[in-house]
Amino acid sequence: EDQVTQSPEALRLQEGESSSLNCSYTVSGLRGLFWYRQDPGKGPEFLFTLYSAGEEKEKERLKATLTKKESFLHITAPKPEDSATYLCAVQAGGSEKLVFGKGTKLTVNP
Amino acid sequence: EAGVTQSPTHLIKTRGQQVTLRCSPISGHTSVYWYQQALGLGLQFLLWYDEGEERNRGNFPPRFSGRQFPNYSSELNVNALELEDSALYLCASSPGTVKAGELFFGEGSRLTVL
Repeated sequence: EDQVTQSPEALRLQEGESSSLNCSYTVSGLRGLFWYRQDPGKGPEFLFTLYSAGEEKEKERLKATLTKKESFLHITAPKPEDSATYLCAVQAGGSEKLVFGKGTKLTVNP
Repeated sequence: EAGVTQSPTHLIKTRGQQVTLRCSPISGHTSVYWYQQALGLGLQFLLWYDEGEERNRGNFPPRFSGRQFPNYSSELNVNALELEDSALYLCASSPGTVKAGELFFGEGSRLTVL
């Protein structure tokens, strides 16, 4: 069964304090790994797609990387507006559905 | 460009009742997905519709059903509501299967079952 585990469950950072979020996965034939951001009371917002080990994607202060077993979302010099829950999801080959992790709730204090 | 819209935004029902949730995808998107986000759980895949047909469903009982209309909007129906159906129901659309994992979500319908 495809599975996604995210850690930590919650993370508090000071503004400017860089850190990483982890997403470990098991999937039968990875078709894609996806990162989403979810603000309170809102639906998730798509951030990145990673397709193969070694791939990296960047957007502003966020950088996502992928290995054969896990993905990291690196946050460099975060700002309070980066506070949100970050969700990781995988898609298996031959499947259209995404399997989501429970998310990491990030709080960035000014 | 309008995003994915869902209605109602909030609703309260009692056990045994039935509910219908509605979703309008982004213009040009033919695929609609429904996910359930219960407290403490990750998003759970419910249903996928494409071109008016149900293509796949998650591990939910048959009292969860839906349909997609010719204009690609969609409905999710839940019969015989149970307390554990309390959750945020999210609809998402995508332009097709090429980038099927890049979903555009609505803000959800929050269902409370008493």
